[in-house]
Amino acid sequence: QKEVEQNSGPLSVPEGAIASLNCTYSDRGSQSFFWYRQYSGKSPELIMFIYSNGDKEDGRFTAQLNKASQYVSLLIRDSQPSDSATYLCAVSEDSSYKLIFGSGTRLLVRP
Amino acid sequence: DADVTQTPRNRITKTGKRIMLECSQTKGHDRMYWYRQDPGLGLRLIYYSFDVKDINKGEISDGYSVSRQAQAKFSLSLESAIPNQTALYFCATGGTLAGQPQHFGDGTRLSIL
Repeated sequence: QKEVEQNSGPLSVPEGAIASLNCTYSDRGSQSFFWYRQYSGKSPELIMFIYSNGDKEDGRFTAQLNKASQYVSLLIRDSQPSDSATYLCAVSEDSSYKLIFGSGTRLLVRP
Repeated sequence: DADVTQTPRNRITKTGKRIMLECSQTKGHDRMYWYRQDPGLGLRLIYYSFDVKDINKGEISDGYSVSRQAQAKFSLSLESAIPNQTALYFCATGGTLAGQPQHFGDGTRLSIL
């Protein structure tokens, strides 16, 4: 069974610090990787996606992918209290239109 | 207006009742999905559809059925609701190409007593 693993947290960081969120996946055929942010009781919101090994930056967010080690990470620079949320990692094969979600990591940014 | 609209947003009902959750989208996407989310378990796929004639079961389809009435509409039914179907339900849409991200509606909070 294909799995996506995340540490449930909470990951607590002070305001202004870098938050590092990690995700591992079991299926070596995975090709597409997504990070969603979900505030409590709200819907998941796409914040980053990455398809190739290496880093992809978008504002304060950087996604990092290492297919050989089967992990994907999300870095949040200059963390703000408004970044406090659960971050969901999702993985997909290119041949599939389905996403496999991790259970999420709860991030708490302390003022 | 939201691109993916779910109704109702909240519903409380009793065991044994039939319930329908509705989803409509204005994104023009062919692919639509229904998920449920339970605390600590992440999102689990119930059903998905690639067009009005293509319906597929997800990992937890037992106790649920779906109908794709049009490209823009995808409804989820619980034929005889039971308490362990109490959860947060999300509809999502996906683009044409495999590997594209999915976009979620605001969710329906369903409680079954």
